[in-house]
Amino acid sequence: SQQGEEDPQALSIQEGENATMNCSYKTSINNLQWYRQNSGRGLVHLILIRSNEREKHSGRLRVTLDTSKKSSSLLITASRAADTASYFCATAIPKSRRALTFGSGTRLQVQP
Amino acid sequence: SQTIHQWPATLVQPVGSPLSLECTVEGTSNPNLYWYRQAAGRGLQLLFYSVGIGQISSEVPQNLSASRPQDRQFILSSKKLLLSDSGFYLCAWSVRRGALPSSYNELFFGPGTRLTVL
Repeated sequence: SQQGEEDPQALSIQEGENATMNCSYKTSINNLQWYRQNSGRGLVHLILIRSNEREKHSGRLRVTLDTSKKSSSLLITASRAADTASYFCATAIPKSRRALTFGSGTRLQVQP
Repeated sequence: SQTIHQWPATLVQPVGSPLSLECTVEGTSNPNLYWYRQAAGRGLQLLFYSVGIGQISSEVPQNLSASRPQDRQFILSSKKLLLSDSGFYLCAWSVRRGALPSSYNELFFGPGTRLTVL
């Protein structure tokens, strides 16, 4: 079974609005990562948050981590049409030499 | 800078035919290499990973195999494709463990191969 599960599965918003995606995981982690995938393309790393961090910012991205609830959220502020993509959270697979397990993703559609 | 290549970009194969997908990495040495498969609209499933030449670990039993004949080359193969092998295959690399703290486990993905088995 997959370690991370995102919700919602799909999200449609207007340009300029904020988009929030959530991720839950099952086991203890050293860090949690968020990736973006444009349709039919490979994944691109967005941001990594360590287990001892509660919040991290990168440009219009804000990630939070609550290890007590085993959950994380990704907030994209002032969304743009170019933010349309699928977003995945990922955590390390134990004893797998840095391999990551990914959730099923949130498909974000930003309407211009 | 590092780059990762996959080919072919798309492939349509009949059931029972063989498969060979290739992935190469440039600009880095001794990378960890990974093969993932993504079903339509779904998350990624780890298929294989490799920490060195000839060293392959399989995550799920299946109709596929992987090989690493060179440090920066990773090949995904099948002797006889099944309909269920259809999907989007992604190769990725990461820095070898020990080169950086274990918290730096970012994966760098290739552009993917879309495989359709008919």
